[in-house]
Amino acid sequence: YGLAQPLSVSVALGQTARISCGGNNIGSKSVHWYQQKPGQAPVLVIFSDSNRPSGIPERFSGSNSGNTAALTISRAQAGDEADYYCQVWDSSAAGVFGTGTKVTVL
Amino acid sequence: EVQLVESGGGLVKPGGSLRLSCATSGFTFSISSINWVRQALGKGLEWVSSISPGSTYIYYADSVKGRFTISRDDAKRSVYLQMNSLRAEDTAVYYCVRLADTGAGSYYFDFWGQGSLVTVSS
Repeated sequence: YGLAQPLSVSVALGQTARISCGGNNIGSKSVHWYQQKPGQAPVLVIFSDSNRPSGIPERFSGSNSGNTAALTISRAQAGDEADYYCQVWDSSAAGVFGTGTKVTVL
Repeated sequence: EVQLVESGGGLVKPGGSLRLSCATSGFTFSISSINWVRQALGKGLEWVSSISPGSTYIYYADSVKGRFTISRDDAKRSVYLQMNSLRAEDTAVYYCVRLADTGAGSYYFDFWGQGSLVTVSS
């Protein structure tokens, strides 16, 4: 099972960024999202399509339908610059990650 | 505070072996599934292996099956990854991560260690 993400997304400071994650009928699966800043371990920002863990700002939101899931970052800040990965759990009992998207805040 | 701390990484020659350890604290280890995820330099995340409570269920990525072995010691609150027949393409930062259950047949990684670098080179 493969998950495709755009290589990069640019967003102006204070504007909205949308990161897509494409997969065959991904809407039937739960999608989770991670943020990874340079030199750091990934951090969970969205689980089960649209739920935020404690401590994650409301500016981060998620959606999932059909063949595309998405992570939306509203009112983008310089501190949101990072790589973002989507993830599902495959029926073969394996974790599957998306290809990753580099977000640049202009 | 949940903590996972990896150790045991280093430089090893192709064909060699290495054992990674993951020491944990701050949560009930005995009922938790622990996974390994790796990341080659400048590349994306790759799931490697998973071990459930009581070692009942163990899974591996096809890329490491037959070469890597995951195990756990509940008394020491630790998980191990024995890596044999190492190849250059195994070079990566290896993260120890806790697996969370959505309750609906899906799982995600809620807490991550800082990672341990494994370099396979002659």
